[in-house]
Amino acid sequence: GDSVTQMEGPVTLSEEAFLTINCTYTATGYPSLFWYVQYPGEGLQLLLKATKADDKGSNKGFEATYRKETTSFHLEKGSVQVSDSAVYFCALSDPPDSWGKLQFGAGTQVVVTP
Amino acid sequence: GAVVSQHPSRVICKSGTSVKIECRSLDFQATTMFWYRQFPKKSLMLMATSNEGSKATYEQGVEKDKFLINHASLTLSTLTVTSAHPEDSSFYICSTPSGTGGTEAFFGQGTRLTVV
Repeated sequence: GDSVTQMEGPVTLSEEAFLTINCTYTATGYPSLFWYVQYPGEGLQLLLKATKADDKGSNKGFEATYRKETTSFHLEKGSVQVSDSAVYFCALSDPPDSWGKLQFGAGTQVVVTP
Repeated sequence: GAVVSQHPSRVICKSGTSVKIECRSLDFQATTMFWYRQFPKKSLMLMATSNEGSKATYEQGVEKDKFLINHASLTLSTLTVTSAHPEDSSFYICSTPSGTGGTEAFFGQGTRLTVV
């Protein structure tokens, strides 16, 4: 079955540091890939997505590229802020069987200190 | 974009009582709603899929008699935790497909349930 593996946290870094969160996946079909962010006490928000190989999703300074050859979708940000402190989830959706139904990674907590 | 409103955001209940969590789609018709559960420091695990007008489909290991899901209208799906126990304490969150032909989902705000 489909699965998502992402690096464990917590990841603690200083403001303006470079952030990378690794995510790899296994899927039987051609999944869409997502990064969701969960700020403290809140629900999940879509951060970015990519629907086919070599697509790059980007939002709020975050980027991730769909790499089919390495089955990866690593999240990066060049200069983090304290407000980026949150839990980040890598997820996939493998349509048409699972349209809108997501398989999540374990989540990575990111703590950015001033 | 679409908005999914989940209520309540937090609830504390006594053991043995039941708690109902509602998810409403505010500006579109949600024929499908997914219900997830998130354990502390863990990822979200799909509990069940509800479809308007039909019985919910539960994932393996989820007690359908404990977690009652109703999707009686195109804008409302509910999850009722029956005879709650402390081990049911968790973060519950609903989501619905975007409906744009894509594969993303829109999430409710989540409900933090604490059973004492």
